[in-house]
Amino acid sequence: EIVLTQSPATLSLSPGERATLSCRASQSVSSYLAWYQHKPGQAPSLLIYDASNRATGIPARFSASGSGTDFTLTISSLEPEDFAVYYCQQRSDWPRTFGQGTKVEIK
Amino acid sequence: EVQLVESGGGLVQPGGSLRLSCAASGFTLSNYGMNWVRQAPGKGLEWISFISSSGITKYYVDSVKGRFTISRDSAKNSLYLQMNSLRDDDTAVYYCARDRQGWLDPWGQGTLVTVSS
Repeated sequence: EIVLTQSPATLSLSPGERATLSCRASQSVSSYLAWYQHKPGQAPSLLIYDASNRATGIPARFSASGSGTDFTLTISSLEPEDFAVYYCQQRSDWPRTFGQGTKVEIK
Repeated sequence: EVQLVESGGGLVQPGGSLRLSCAASGFTLSNYGMNWVRQAPGKGLEWISFISSSGITKYYVDSVKGRFTISRDSAKNSLYLQMNSLRDDDTAVYYCARDRQGWLDPWGQGTLVTVSS
């Protein structure tokens, strides 16, 4: 099973600041990595797929990069609605796996 | 509008069974692979099962193999998860999600399953 390790576990930032989230895979997943946003009481939503492609309707302040085992999600300037938990997920192999999540909280 | 609505969650005793449903609207479910994902209290997301568009190919995470069965009904445009031999650690919010070449989009709002005596 491919293990995804996200860091940090929690990111405390203020609106307008830049957020940088990391996801590391236990083996190469090529570019088969996605990022999701999850707010309490809501359905998770797809932000990024294939490592760097924004899903439909996702604002340009969200960007992502990486390949192989190291990936990064960047939020260039945090908006109030961006405070949430972010998960990475791989589709390189079965079982599909998620990282344990990074909580972006208001400082 | 593409929408997924889960139902069937509730309180069940250890060793019991429950069947979750996921009703799709705005698209034809049989044209897509579908997934179930769960989130235990205070924990992260855990993928648990996939069914292909044809219904022939199915995958499960090891922790539910032999206990859970994923299925679909094209006539009802619905996805199901039959859960047997439920354990305390199956307590979670269960989400269904459409498969888009391995990515999950969109997701339903989830249904809560509580396994407790």
